[in-house]
Amino acid sequence: AQSVTQLGSHVSVSEGALVLLRCNYSSSVPPYLFWYVQYPNQGLQLLLKYTTGATLVKGINGFEAEFKKSETSFHLTKPSAHMSDAAEYFCAVSPGGTASKLTFGTGTRLQVTL
Amino acid sequence: DTAVSQTPKYLVTQMGNDKSIKCEQNLGHDTMYWYKQDSKKFLKIMFSYNNKELIINETVPNRFSPKSPDKAHLNLHINSLELGDSAVYFCASSQDNTREKLFFGSGTQLSVL
Repeated sequence: AQSVTQLGSHVSVSEGALVLLRCNYSSSVPPYLFWYVQYPNQGLQLLLKYTTGATLVKGINGFEAEFKKSETSFHLTKPSAHMSDAAEYFCAVSPGGTASKLTFGTGTRLQVTL
Repeated sequence: DTAVSQTPKYLVTQMGNDKSIKCEQNLGHDTMYWYKQDSKKFLKIMFSYNNKELIINETVPNRFSPKSPDKAHLNLHINSLELGDSAVYFCASSQDNTREKLFFGSGTQLSVL
């Protein structure tokens, strides 16, 4: 069984500030980890994923995430927030990467202020 | 062209009615899904079809019946709608059931009055 915990349902940052969205996972097998983004009135889009290999993964729009096995974490970061980054962000885990077994976190709403 | 399209975008109906949501993908994917997103944004898989065959059926009331006439379409029919069915329903697809990347539709907001 696997689960995902996203700390903080709402995060607010100023434009240009660092974005840090936290995700911790639980998995009985080596996990595949994902971040999805949902813009208002749209479906989710894959932002980035970790499968195997390099623990620092880069995604679209300047986001990156680091897999830390010892901390069971997969936090999402972006050095400088942009207004267009305002959205809902979902962390997800899957055993072995199978899409049908994806478990999503409850999401973190990112607000970007001027 | 929209990769995964679902209709309608909004659906408002009375308790007890029967309604359907349609989904089509033009990506040539083999696997399609229905997810339910509740008011707290929690996203939970309901069904998964691979090449028109049901492969996942989570603990969903049997009032919900998916239908896949071909691998590009996965429709969701809901009988005897209840207040608790109000949610956003997302259709999604993946290349096959071993691939982890999901492509989502833009959702259908169902409101049961």
